[in-house]
Amino acid sequence: EAQVTQNPRYLITVTGKKLTVTCSQNMNHEYMSWYRQDPGLGLRQIYYSMNVEVTDKGDVPEGYKVSRKEKRNFPLILESPSPNQTSLYFCASSFIAGPSQETQYFGPGTRLLVL
Amino acid sequence: QKEVEQNSGPLSVPEGAIASLNCTYSDRGSQSFFWYRQYSGKSPELIMSIYSNGDKEDGRFTAQLNKASQYVSLLIRDSQPSDSATYLCAVSDSGYSTLTFGKGTMLLVSP
Repeated sequence: EAQVTQNPRYLITVTGKKLTVTCSQNMNHEYMSWYRQDPGLGLRQIYYSMNVEVTDKGDVPEGYKVSRKEKRNFPLILESPSPNQTSLYFCASSFIAGPSQETQYFGPGTRLLVL
Repeated sequence: QKEVEQNSGPLSVPEGAIASLNCTYSDRGSQSFFWYRQYSGKSPELIMSIYSNGDKEDGRFTAQLNKASQYVSLLIRDSQPSDSATYLCAVSDSGYSTLTFGKGTMLLVSP
């Protein structure tokens, strides 16, 4: 089954304790992204990757790191989480059918609470 | 700063009616336009994409794009209670994973 998976789905942590949220897709998509979703602010892009070893900042990259060592995986790293990073996080991967024809598939989400 | 604006709603329609959702965007260079449906606590699900001016129909859904007016809309015909969700408009200039989302419009379809 074609899918984007994220782990963990729920996480409660404390300020400053490094954490990694994993994202994996089995569709051989080149493009992957991370978003956070907050009430009243909508979905905002954190980082995206156009291919292995190619990553770029989205709209809200501060406090986050990513890596793309393999095509299928795109982990999100919070080196020193803070309470303002409490949010719902989505990973997404994209299929490009042609020029300006992208279809983006979202993972199930990771709900993070930083105390 | 690219912006995508949507009325937050809720938009309430009776079952069987047409629901009309609207979206405006600020970047004239935008090339790709998407509508996602998101149920509470779930991930966004792509329901329509549109790339050129005019209408695009898929089942009960019709997306309409007017680049001159920087306006995108989604019509849902024969609305069902199961259509009750938040609808997100998303816009991209390059199509390469650089999506900008609106904050979404909540749709409520009453039986």
